[in-house]
Amino acid sequence: DAEITQSPRHKITETGRQVTLACHQTWNHNNMFWYRQDLGHGLRLIHYSYGVHDTNKGEVSDGYSVSRSNTEDLPLTLESAASSQTSVYFCASSELAGGPHNEQFFGPGTRLTVL
Amino acid sequence: KQEVTQIPAALSVPEGENLVLNCSFTDSAIYNLQWFRQDPGKGLTSLLLIQSSQREQTSGRLNASLDKSSGRSTLYIAASQPGDSATYLCAAGGRGTSYGKLTFGQGTILTVHP
Repeated sequence: DAEITQSPRHKITETGRQVTLACHQTWNHNNMFWYRQDLGHGLRLIHYSYGVHDTNKGEVSDGYSVSRSNTEDLPLTLESAASSQTSVYFCASSELAGGPHNEQFFGPGTRLTVL
Repeated sequence: KQEVTQIPAALSVPEGENLVLNCSFTDSAIYNLQWFRQDPGKGLTSLLLIQSSQREQTSGRLNASLDKSSGRSTLYIAASQPGDSATYLCAAGGRGTSYGKLTFGQGTILTVHP
């Protein structure tokens, strides 16, 4: 079955370190998204991609970057981790528009703690 | 900027009740509206997707309606069960330059007690 996976599931790091969270989907979807979920703020979009070599900033992109070198993966990098980036991170994917198959599917999440 | 609001924030009901969760959005130019379920410590599970041209979608005991003109969607759960206890999130899908991007509500925490 097609799925979307995230790794690691839990990560503890120190302020100032670079951290990369992995997202891999086997749906062959063109669209991929990164969200963070925080109490009081809900889910907010960080970055998204509509295809290989395409990346776009979302609502809360400062301090984060992504790159899309193939269809299956969209890694999220925290260039210099800050305590404010302690959160649960979700990756999602969807097909192109134009049909009924634009439902977004989510990964299991990565819980990141920055000390 | 799209804003999505969910009412109530929390709901506790006895098993067997039919219930309605509400979702409102400020910009009616949406591409679709999606309802999710989230269990504690878990990811989001898609429940129903309503395209902007549709009025409702049904899956088992769940029925979601969409009224774009009034900026509202409702999720109806029939004959609730303790296993339905979870947080329910609605998300409005953007169109045009916001294509594919979901704006989420804060969620409704549902508790169904035996």
